[in-house]
Amino acid sequence: GEDVEQSLFLSVREGDSSVINCTYTDSSSTYLYWYKQEPGAGLQLLTYIFSNMDMKQDQRLTVLLNKKDKHLSLRIADTQTGDSAIYFCAESPNNNAGNMLTFGGGTRLMVKP
Amino acid sequence: NAGVMQNPRHLVRRRGQEARLRCSPMKGHSHVYWYRQLPEEGLKFMVYLQKENIIDESGMPKERFSAEFPKEGPSILRIQQVVRGDSAAYFCASSRPGQDYEQYFGPGTRLTVT
Repeated sequence: GEDVEQSLFLSVREGDSSVINCTYTDSSSTYLYWYKQEPGAGLQLLTYIFSNMDMKQDQRLTVLLNKKDKHLSLRIADTQTGDSAIYFCAESPNNNAGNMLTFGGGTRLMVKP
Repeated sequence: NAGVMQNPRHLVRRRGQEARLRCSPMKGHSHVYWYRQLPEEGLKFMVYLQKENIIDESGMPKERFSAEFPKEGPSILRIQQVVRGDSAAYFCASSRPGQDYEQYFGPGTRLTVT
């Protein structure tokens, strides 16, 4: 079955860059996602990348995809205290049967002032 | 444009009672996905519905759990005879037909079974 793995915890200083990593096993993954979850809240879709892309940039966020190694990363430039949250990587096949997301366990990002 | 709405936000039930969780998708969205998040874990897919149809329920426990998405009104996730292990956050997500790759999540319902 599909499996998505993330490291549990990352601590950075305000103003530094954060890099959150994710590995997945399903080679048929079509879309790969990053979601942000703040305490007690739902998931906010940050960005996603189609599997035929290597990189996607959106303001302070850069997503890198290494399809050969099944490795996805999220880089947050100039990390702020408001970026402290849990970040979930997810993948989906997005076929005609639907787009069920498979999530990693989440990486808790702590930003120190 | 209101986002995905879920209610109640918090629900406390005693063992053996029924829990009903509601999800109203975003305007223009007719596809609904339910996910469960156990404490300190990621989300796990439960069921995918379109209006009046269950498309995929492969993630639903075989007993006590059911879901519906009627022609009118919100999608309902129903848990009968709740047990302590059902305590979790239940999230729904919605998407437009043909745009299932963009799912937007509601704030979740946190179910506590005492």
